[in-house]
Amino acid sequence: QKEVEQNSGPLSVPEGAIASLNCTYSDRGSQSFFWYRQYSGKSPELIMFIYSNGDKEDGRFTAQLNKASQYVSLLIRDSQPSDSATYLCAVNRGTGFQKLVFGTGTRLLVSP
Amino acid sequence: DAMVIQNPRYQVTQFGKPVTLSCSQTLNHNVMYWYQQKSSQAPKLLFHYYDKDFNNEADTPDNFQSRRPNTSFCFLDIRSPGLGDAAMYLCAVLGVMNTEAFFGQGTRLTVV
Repeated sequence: QKEVEQNSGPLSVPEGAIASLNCTYSDRGSQSFFWYRQYSGKSPELIMFIYSNGDKEDGRFTAQLNKASQYVSLLIRDSQPSDSATYLCAVNRGTGFQKLVFGTGTRLLVSP
Repeated sequence: DAMVIQNPRYQVTQFGKPVTLSCSQTLNHNVMYWYQQKSSQAPKLLFHYYDKDFNNEADTPDNFQSRRPNTSFCFLDIRSPGLGDAAMYLCAVLGVMNTEAFFGQGTRLTVV
């Protein structure tokens, strides 16, 4: 079982719709969770982090965490064509050497 | 202003010729990471540091080494690059509160 799993997609949504991206993780000791956006050929750009169960909102983005189900998601409201990218979920154990482990990413395509 | 700076952005090296990639940070964070990312794959953790304490992943090839002479700088040495080592190499830093994990712009390595 992979430590962090994401559906590779592509996830296609029309402009203005809500895009929902999902991520599951295997290590129950994980404490911090990150969502990154990565455009082709570029480095990952941090969008949000979350460490408490529930929702966290920042502009058009909402991260949701459910530690009991080992599940974290990212909602993008009012999706724009510029949101088309690969979205990477990353998980950090928060103790010891604090490995930051990534999923393979979900490719999002927002059509005009 | 860039907080994690990688040099060079693009590196072309000959098969078997040693190469060094560099990373510097202005954030004074304790934890630094080196990742390798190949096309359409997740970033793969090679090394990580907590201050000068060093940990390499079990599957990091012996061909790869890393140095961190001080908090601000970190280096990735590839002793004898092979064609399979062509990739984007990403440096990242993690903040004390585990809420900030920023990447540099990456170094794209080509092996000819």
